[in-house]
Amino acid sequence: DIQMTQSPSTLSASVGDRVTITCRASQSITHWLAWYQQKPGKAPKLLIYKASSLESGVPSRFSGSGSGTEFTLTISSLQPDDFATYYCQQYNGSPYSFGQGTKLEIK
Amino acid sequence: QVQLVQSGAELKKPGSSVKVSCKASGGTFSRCAISWVRQAPGQGLEWMGGIIPILGTANYTQKFQGRVTITTDEATSTAYMELSSLKSEDTAVYYCARNPGVATFGFFDLWGRGTLVTVS
Repeated sequence: DIQMTQSPSTLSASVGDRVTITCRASQSITHWLAWYQQKPGKAPKLLIYKASSLESGVPSRFSGSGSGTEFTLTISSLQPDDFATYYCQQYNGSPYSFGQGTKLEIK
Repeated sequence: QVQLVQSGAELKKPGSSVKVSCKASGGTFSRCAISWVRQAPGQGLEWMGGIIPILGTANYTQKFQGRVTITTDEATSTAYMELSSLKSEDTAVYYCARNPGVATFGFFDLWGRGTLVTVS
């Protein structure tokens, strides 16, 4: 099974900051990676798929990059609505696994 | 616009079974796969398995093999996830989610609101 590891687990930042979250796969997943945002009590929301493709309706301040085993999610200028937990997910092969999550907190 | 509407919260006793439904409201599953993802309290997301309705084939993670059954009723565009031999560790929110590719699993572009299953 492919293990996904995110870092950091928690990130404190301020409105307007540029932040980056990293996701590493235990083996190559080429570009079969998605990113989700989840707020308390809500279902996850798709942000990025195929490592760098922005889902329709998602603000352009979100971007994804990477290939193989290392990937990043970048938020170029944090907005108040962005404080949430972020998950990466590989879909290179079953079982389709998630990272443990990164909680983005207000500094 | 299609929405995934899930059944309500359940309280179950250890050793019993639960069956959660997920209806495509405002449309159908089309040729998409439907997956089930669970989230224990304060924990991360865990893919349990899924089904490709047009093929009638289901795929389960080894962890849940033998305890989970995922089915669909195409006439009502409803997917079901049944989990048996419930334990307290199965207490979680169970989400259905759509894989947008044609007859394939992948990422999830549409999610239900989740169904809380409490085993106690």
